Amino acid sequence: ELKVEQNPLFLSMQEGKNYTIYCNYSTTSDRLYWYRQDPGKSLESLFVLLSNGAVKQEGRLMASLDTKARLSTLHITAAVHDLSATYFCAGPNTGNQFYFGTGTSLTVIP
Amino acid sequence: ETGVTQSPTHLIKTRGQQVTLRCSSQSGHNTVSWYQQALGQGPQFIFQYYREEENGRGNFPPRFSGLQFPNYSSELNVNALELDDSALYLCASSLDFENTEAFFGQGTRLTVV
Repeated sequence: ELKVEQNPLFLSMQEGKNYTIYCNYSTTSDRLYWYRQDPGKSLESLFVLLSNGAVKQEGRLMASLDTKARLSTLHITAAVHDLSATYFCAGPNTGNQFYFGTGTSLTVIP
Repeated sequence: ETGVTQSPTHLIKTRGQQVTLRCSSQSGHNTVSWYQQALGQGPQFIFQYYREEENGRGNFPPRFSGLQFPNYSSELNVNALELDDSALYLCASSLDFENTEAFFGQGTRLTVV
């Protein structure tokens, strides 16, 4: 069974600062997904990373995948309050049966 | 909006009862997966249905069962409810079981008292 670990679990950062969330997974996978969840809401797809070395950017968020290191990162540039949410990475065990990390709860402080 | 709808949005049940949750997948999607998300945790994979057949199951007891209908909508049934079953239940639909992307519904919040 795929194991997915994220760190940090909690992240409090000031507006305008940069930070990186890390996602490690236990078995070989060439795909990794990032989701955002606002309190009481469902999961919003942020990035689908499909190959080693994949890098995707959307606004202030950039995700990358290193399949050899079994590591994905979500980099936040110049954080703003609207980015406050919980961020999950997920790897497919088989097909698109996802195993999620524990999540990183991000709070951006004005 | 993902086009995946779940009902009901909230539900309160008593321990020992049975519950059925429903999910309508996005148009054209033949695969539905169900997840349980306890408070403060990441979603956990319960099972997946592809073209009306179970196509994989996570580490959940048999009292968690499901169905997928010819129109690819799906149900999650939980028997003999326990307090620990209180959670947000999410369904996700995808074009097929190998497709790269899954779209999540808004979830059903189940509270067992």
